[in-house]
Amino acid sequence: DAGVIQSPRHEVTEMGQEVTLRCKPISGHDYLFWYRQTMMRGLELLIYFNNNVPIDDSGMPEDRFSAKMPNASFSTLKIQPSEPRDSAVYFCASSFIGFNTEAFFGQGTRLTVV
Amino acid sequence: TQLLEQSPQFLSIQEGENLTVYCNSSSVFSSLQWYRQEPGEGPVLLVTVVTGGEVKKLKRLTFQFGDARKDSSLHITAAQPGDTGLYLCAGPDSGTYKYIFGTGTRLKVLA
Repeated sequence: DAGVIQSPRHEVTEMGQEVTLRCKPISGHDYLFWYRQTMMRGLELLIYFNNNVPIDDSGMPEDRFSAKMPNASFSTLKIQPSEPRDSAVYFCASSFIGFNTEAFFGQGTRLTVV
Repeated sequence: TQLLEQSPQFLSIQEGENLTVYCNSSSVFSSLQWYRQEPGEGPVLLVTVVTGGEVKKLKRLTFQFGDARKDSSLHITAAQPGDTGLYLCAGPDSGTYKYIFGTGTRLKVLA
């Protein structure tokens, strides 16, 4: 398996524009997580899905952020409208069901909003 | 939400030195994981500790879970430049599958 695949790797956009980040989890994994990483706040969980259903979105900063998982092999994180403070590295991770299982992370999308 | 504090935040040492980094919480965790993240990459799992007092070794890395399951440590013996990276501890929040990550320790090993 190629691992968790995220696209794009880098995104530069202007304030107010819509941004869509994409993730393809590892085949067979039941859980999908979206994280945001910044120097100030570290790695924060935004939302996670189990079998394509959103379970906990309490980490989503505000209504400008939305995430979907239309099927087991694809998820999107959308920011509309984007703001400079959204600049961060966004990671997608997937894992099998169960505690203490390993979360496999993608390489991340570095988002810069100017 | 439970919190995980890591110390030190930054560490720069010479090749061959030993070091210990810490992961602390005021809450009990059912388990803790340690990840290492290299620049431009996502975190990669190193180990999971489950039982209070548990010690696990991975080559030159030794991981320990506190008896009360509120803290963990990572000890590296004879550090090498390849150990350079961001070390993160993580644990499930209050019995959920929601894993929270610690604040991280950024390690640099100089040749």
